[in-house]
Amino acid sequence: DAGVIQSPRHEVTEMGQEVTLRCKPISGHNSLFWYRQTMMRGLELLIYFNNNVPIDDSGMPEDRFSAKMPNASFSTLKIQPSEPRDSAVYFCASSPPGGRETDTQYFGPGTRLTVL
Amino acid sequence: EDKVVQSPLSLVVHEGDTVTLNCSYEVTNFRSLLWYKQEKKAPTFLFMLTSSGIEKKSGRLSSILDKKELSSILNITATQTGDSAIYLCAVPQGGSEKLVFGKGTKLTVNP
Repeated sequence: DAGVIQSPRHEVTEMGQEVTLRCKPISGHNSLFWYRQTMMRGLELLIYFNNNVPIDDSGMPEDRFSAKMPNASFSTLKIQPSEPRDSAVYFCASSPPGGRETDTQYFGPGTRLTVL
Repeated sequence: EDKVVQSPLSLVVHEGDTVTLNCSYEVTNFRSLLWYKQEKKAPTFLFMLTSSGIEKKSGRLSSILDKKELSSILNITATQTGDSAIYLCAVPQGGSEKLVFGKGTKLTVNP
């Protein structure tokens, strides 16, 4: 079974440009999480969805960041306009429904974003 | 505020050594603790612990939870260079699916 799929794997863009990161969760998982990882701040949760509904977006840095989950198999994280301080690795993770198993999140390979 | 603290932050050992990584937590309504291994890519799941004193084992890796001490340890015996990675500890935030991660322990195993 395929794991979490993210695209693109690498993105280099210029300051001010719009960036869209994509994620396909594991089939049957009903929670999806977007994280950002940097050396300075470690792994930070940006937003998570349950059954396609945003539950907690308190980690989204500012209005330049937005996330959507139009259906159970697809989510996007958009940054507009991008800034150099957004450079990081962005991970998507998903978890299965029900009981304690839902605590276990499975991570995608990440998108390494560089904003020049 | 919920938090997870890992120690040491980094560790350098020789192949064949045994290492112990530590994780302590403060969280309301504790329900589980998770360990992940992160090499040069995404974190991969190792263990989920829910009960005190019950060891989880996978090959040379093992982990145990102590709810009284609000902590967990991850042991790696007979280390190999392939064990070099960042090991992350996480707990779900009370009443939420959010995981609170520690900063990680960077393990380097030299040949």
